[in-house]
Amino acid sequence: DAKTTQPPSMDCAEGRAANLPCNHSTISGNEYVYWYRQIHSQGPQYIIHGLKNNETNEMASLIITEDRKSSTLILPHATLRDTAVYYCIALPSGSARQLTFGSGTQLTVLP
Amino acid sequence: GAVVSQHPSRVICKSGTSVKIECRSLDFQATTMFWYRQFPKKSLMLMATSNEGSKATYEQGVEKDKFLINHASLTLSTLTVTSAHPEDSSFYICSARAAVGSYEQYFGPGTRLTVT
Repeated sequence: DAKTTQPPSMDCAEGRAANLPCNHSTISGNEYVYWYRQIHSQGPQYIIHGLKNNETNEMASLIITEDRKSSTLILPHATLRDTAVYYCIALPSGSARQLTFGSGTQLTVLP
Repeated sequence: GAVVSQHPSRVICKSGTSVKIECRSLDFQATTMFWYRQFPKKSLMLMATSNEGSKATYEQGVEKDKFLINHASLTLSTLTVTSAHPEDSSFYICSARAAVGSYEQYFGPGTRLTVT
């Protein structure tokens, strides 16, 4: 599975968009980009995933660059409850392999 | 989405005793379940993978005789920490994957174990 690199921490003002970057320069053609988040003392929560097209759901948007070497998770209107560690994971779709977590990005939404 | 529960959510036990943590998939059958451990301010580390009806596969460095995993049914897996020591204090999280045809992985809320 491709290695992903994320900044260790970011701050965002409440109500503003939070843009979380992820670098996955060695991603292969069949690997999807998955995003999970973990609020303190809870289990990880699935957010979104995509292959090469931009994706949007009720939680977030995922923007993947054309060369697929990086992506950005966008929380359009961050709230205090979005404060969490966000993990970007590259994994082949349909893979029987387990999710492997890196160190992620600690997003702190400030009032 | 699919729901995974864990019980208990918190447990305190004395050093030398054993403690069992249950992981249940509430609305789907899970052929594969995963157990992760997370120390404070650290990321999740996979401990073992268990498939229903077969022995668990442990990650390197995880003692199989200390962390007993049983996956006896398609909706229940248990992790027993035997002869617990203070260094076993951690946040234990289970995850379940639905039966063949779906590879989504769903996580439980975690169990906080404190060994005194």
